[in-house]
Amino acid sequence: SQKIEQNSEALNIQEGKTATLTCNYTNYSPAYLQWYRQDPGRGPVFLLLIRENEKEKRKERLKVTFDTTLKQSLFHITASQPADSATYLCALDRGNTPLVFGKGTRLSVIA
Amino acid sequence: DAGVIQSPRHEVTEMGQEVTLRCKPISGHNSLFWYRQTMMRGLELLIYFNNNVPIDDSGMPEDRFSAKMPNASFSTLKIQPSEPRDSAVYFCASSSRVYEQYFGPGTRLTVT
Repeated sequence: SQKIEQNSEALNIQEGKTATLTCNYTNYSPAYLQWYRQDPGRGPVFLLLIRENEKEKRKERLKVTFDTTLKQSLFHITASQPADSATYLCALDRGNTPLVFGKGTRLSVIA
Repeated sequence: DAGVIQSPRHEVTEMGQEVTLRCKPISGHNSLFWYRQTMMRGLELLIYFNNNVPIDDSGMPEDRFSAKMPNASFSTLKIQPSEPRDSAVYFCASSSRVYEQYFGPGTRLTVT
């Protein structure tokens, strides 16, 4: 069966460090991979999309990589800040099909 | 734009009662999605509509759940009868293409 795993339920890092979150998938060939941020009591908010033929994409302090051989995406937040504390969800889609979400990783950036 | 609007934001009901959740998608978006989120199972797709037509309802847990989209600006998710295991946060999302989805604030449902 198709499976999406995000490396850990929770991740604590020190302010200023780079946070790295992992999304692994099996039995799936996504055309796109997306990352969302979810704050408590709110709906997920879209952050970045990366296509299967793209290796890396950046947006401000965010960087996403996509390795279709390893079936893995890495999500990096550089120079992390307490305001980056949230749950981050990865989502896969094969194009023209609904997204399938991972359970998310709860990131806490400690000042 | 106000974004995706959901109502009510919180709903507490007794087992056996009918529950109706409402969603207004972003104007111009032609796809609408209903999700359920729990700690155990994460974010699960229940059903999605494209141009008001249900495309895939395989995520609807059982016949107690039904969803409608009578027009491009309104959708409902109904649970009848409700059970305690239906307690969760229900999200509606809309999209203008297969890329990013825009989520509403969610409805927190508690069935006692």
